[in-house]
Amino acid sequence: ETGVTQTPRHLVMGMTNKKSLKCEQHLGHNAMYWYKQSAKKPLELMFVYNFKEQTENNSVPSRFSPECPNSSHLFLHLHTLQPEDSALYLCASSQGRMSSYNEQFFGPGTRLTVL
Amino acid sequence: KNEVEQSPQNLTAQEGEFITINCSYSVGISALHWLQQHPGGGIVSLFMLSSGKKKHGRLIATINIQEKHSSLHITASHPRDSAVYICAVLRFSNQFYFGTGTSLTVIP
Repeated sequence: ETGVTQTPRHLVMGMTNKKSLKCEQHLGHNAMYWYKQSAKKPLELMFVYNFKEQTENNSVPSRFSPECPNSSHLFLHLHTLQPEDSALYLCASSQGRMSSYNEQFFGPGTRLTVL
Repeated sequence: KNEVEQSPQNLTAQEGEFITINCSYSVGISALHWLQQHPGGGIVSLFMLSSGKKKHGRLIATINIQEKHSSLHITASHPRDSAVYICAVLRFSNQFYFGTGTSLTVIP
């Protein structure tokens, strides 16, 4: 247990569905991250939030919509996804913004399959 | 071409063997991370280093900033070490770049 939880752990959805991924951290951290991990590809950073403010959006399509209501919770709202969006979505948190001093703690991930 | 290259991509070892995983990168960095990902997905940070060498139990990580190279060593490998090991570099611009990982299987 890293102190970062994600729900659901597995999700299967159709291309017309709307669903949300949830991440919660119990570490008192200020920064939270969404990553996408596709098969045979490096981890891709999607979004960064620091003190609830979005500080990075790495050219992520608008069908992915993040929400950070407070420093402990992070959501990723999904709508009209494509089959190529099937991947493992990982949440992480750190005490401050990513730096050479702040270790990231990862959640277990949500395995998403888009049919 | 990925900014971070790892080798080998796949590695099978007998229990007890000494294992080395390599990471080369092509950009200037402020820090390098070694991560461990077990089947099922969860990732654990093993090391964060910007120079020299760090040791934790049977794991040793080294980095040579001039040569843009890092190695992760596992001494006396055990089947529970079977996982994917990911190298990630942090640029001074606070951008993270990840390698594709090295899949390690340790056979009893």
